[in-house]
Amino acid sequence: ELKVEQNPLFLSMQEGKNYTIYCNYSTTSDRLYWYRQDPGKSLESLFVLLSNGAVKQEGRLMASLDTKARLSTLHITAAVHDLSATYFCAVDISASGTYKYIFGTGTRLKVLA
Amino acid sequence: ETGVTQSPTHLIKTRGQQVTLRCSSQSGHNTVSWYQQALGQGPQFIFQYYREEENGRGNFPPRFSGLQFPNYSSELNVNALELDDSALYLCASSTRPTGELFFGEGSRLTVL
Repeated sequence: ELKVEQNPLFLSMQEGKNYTIYCNYSTTSDRLYWYRQDPGKSLESLFVLLSNGAVKQEGRLMASLDTKARLSTLHITAAVHDLSATYFCAVDISASGTYKYIFGTGTRLKVLA
Repeated sequence: ETGVTQSPTHLIKTRGQQVTLRCSSQSGHNTVSWYQQALGQGPQFIFQYYREEENGRGNFPPRFSGLQFPNYSSELNVNALELDDSALYLCASSTRPTGELFFGEGSRLTVL
């Protein structure tokens, strides 16, 4: 059974600190996405990672993908309160014309002032 | 550019009833996917439609069904509602079956 696990599930951190969220998946894929969800809201696309070694950065967030290790990371640099949200990774395991897209368990981030 | 819109935003049904949720895809997008998100959980893939054909399905029973129309809008139908169907139902559109998803604000369904 395919699993997409995120670590940690909950993260409380001080403003200005750095931290990394991990996304591990159990099957072959070279397409991974990161999304942000604010409480009571929908999901917003953050990063699209489409090959081994892909690295994308936007502001204080940087995402990377290691398809051999089946691991993606979302690194937060000098956290600010506005980054408080739930972050999801999602793995695209579509094959043979059939689509399937699996979300991780989510990491709830709280940045304390 | 109009984003993904869903209706209704909130609705309450009773067990055994049927519900239809609607989604208008973003301009230029021909693919629509539906997800169920229970409180505190990640979204669970229900199915995807590409050019009016079902293109993939998650682990949901047949009472979850859908349609995609020629203008690429879509409907999710759920029959014989159960209490566990209470969730946020998210629609996402994309320019192709495997690609970045753009989500609507969701339809929150409560089953009593």
